[in-house]
Amino acid sequence: GEDVEQSLFLSVREGDSSVINCTYTDSSSTYLYWYKQEPGAGLQLLTYIFSNMDMKQDQRLTVLLNKKDKHLSLRIADTQTGDSAIYFCALGAGKSTFGDGTTLTVKP
Amino acid sequence: DTGVSQDPRHKITKRGQNVTFRCDPISEHNRLYWYRQTLGQGPEFLTYFQNEAQLEKSRLLSDRFSAERPKGSFSTLEIQRTEQGDSAMYLCASSPRVGGANEQFFGPGTRLTVL
Repeated sequence: GEDVEQSLFLSVREGDSSVINCTYTDSSSTYLYWYKQEPGAGLQLLTYIFSNMDMKQDQRLTVLLNKKDKHLSLRIADTQTGDSAIYFCALGAGKSTFGDGTTLTVKP
Repeated sequence: DTGVSQDPRHKITKRGQNVTFRCDPISEHNRLYWYRQTLGQGPEFLTYFQNEAQLEKSRLLSDRFSAERPKGSFSTLEIQRTEQGDSAMYLCASSPRVGGANEQFFGPGTRLTVL
């Protein structure tokens, strides 16, 4: 089945950029997604990218997709303390396969 | 529209008991999904409905689990004869239409603790 891998932790200083990475095995997914989960809350869809795109920018968020290397990344510009959360990449429109999440800690 | 709601938010039960969770999706969303999330892991797909039809079930969904969406609106997930390994967060999501980006909107989850 689909395997989605993420690094577990990332720590940055407020105002810096954060880059969260994701690798996957199955390249058949039409859409790839990034979700944010804050403590005690459900998942919030942040953004997604269509598989025939290389990049998508949405305000402070930039998604990069390298289909050849099966690598997806999420860049958060000017990271704020409110961005501290767990970030999940997910593949598949319909039932989705999620990575285990990257915990982002933003230090003031 | 207040988003996807789930009830209860927390459930503590003893091993062997049956539990039922409810999910109310966003109005007029055709698809409804159930996921299970354990600590330190991402959500794992359990099952999904398109309107009232249950289209797919994961191998994770043993015979003790059953889900329904009788009128194509709210859904219930029942776990019979609960085991300690069933302790997890059960998440429900809905999406507005078939095709396209299939954006999924998640509820806050039901946290199940089996003693």
